[in-house]
Amino acid sequence: GEDVEQSLFLSVREGDSSVINCTYTDSSSTYLYWYKQEPGAGLQLLTYIFSNMDMKQDQRLTVLLNKKDKHLSLRIADTQTGDSAIYFCAETSHRADRGSTLGRLYFGRGTQLTVWP
Amino acid sequence: DGGITQSPKYLFRKEGQNVTLSCEQNLNHDAMYWYRQDPGQGLRLIYYSQIVNDFQKGDIAEGYSVSREKKESFPLTVTSAQKNPTAFYLCASSAKFQGGSGANVLTFGAGSRLTVL
Repeated sequence: GEDVEQSLFLSVREGDSSVINCTYTDSSSTYLYWYKQEPGAGLQLLTYIFSNMDMKQDQRLTVLLNKKDKHLSLRIADTQTGDSAIYFCAETSHRADRGSTLGRLYFGRGTQLTVWP
Repeated sequence: DGGITQSPKYLFRKEGQNVTLSCEQNLNHDAMYWYRQDPGQGLRLIYYSQIVNDFQKGDIAEGYSVSREKKESFPLTVTSAQKNPTAFYLCASSAKFQGGSGANVLTFGAGSRLTVL
């Protein structure tokens, strides 16, 4: 099965908060990341959180981590039309059977966020 | 400004032809990666390299080849053996060489879109 799962679509109205959810299976995950991809472009890092933290805030972005449930969320406050993009959750772990000495990232399929004016 | 440059942005190939996608970085990063992105599929790892003259297969290496003769460059060749090469290809790099501590923050290029005619 998939290591990292996300819902594929989310629509919100401009000015509302958006919450994008992600679940992962590897209990040895050390870091969890959120990346943003605008149409026809590469991915850009939004933020990441270490697995011993449960929350990280950076301006309009709030990341919540529930390690017990292996659940990660990204909340975008006061969502704007410019926030419309695909958001990817990713994790790294150091399990030997995943060949993870590189600290390889495992990505979810991405959540397409559409913001309506 | 430091970054990753991918070229060409768009590429068209006839069936049976090999094509090479360029990826150059001036970030002095040790590790480089190639991902393939298909709609709704997320990112799938093709090849990665941790150091010059060394590279490893990712999850979908069949029909692709790479080289890492210089630290700055990691070209990807899509061979005629790749049965369904039409996709968006993303190159990335990171400073992190080994796992164990610290986040592995990837910097992505803008991508190359390959279409087979």
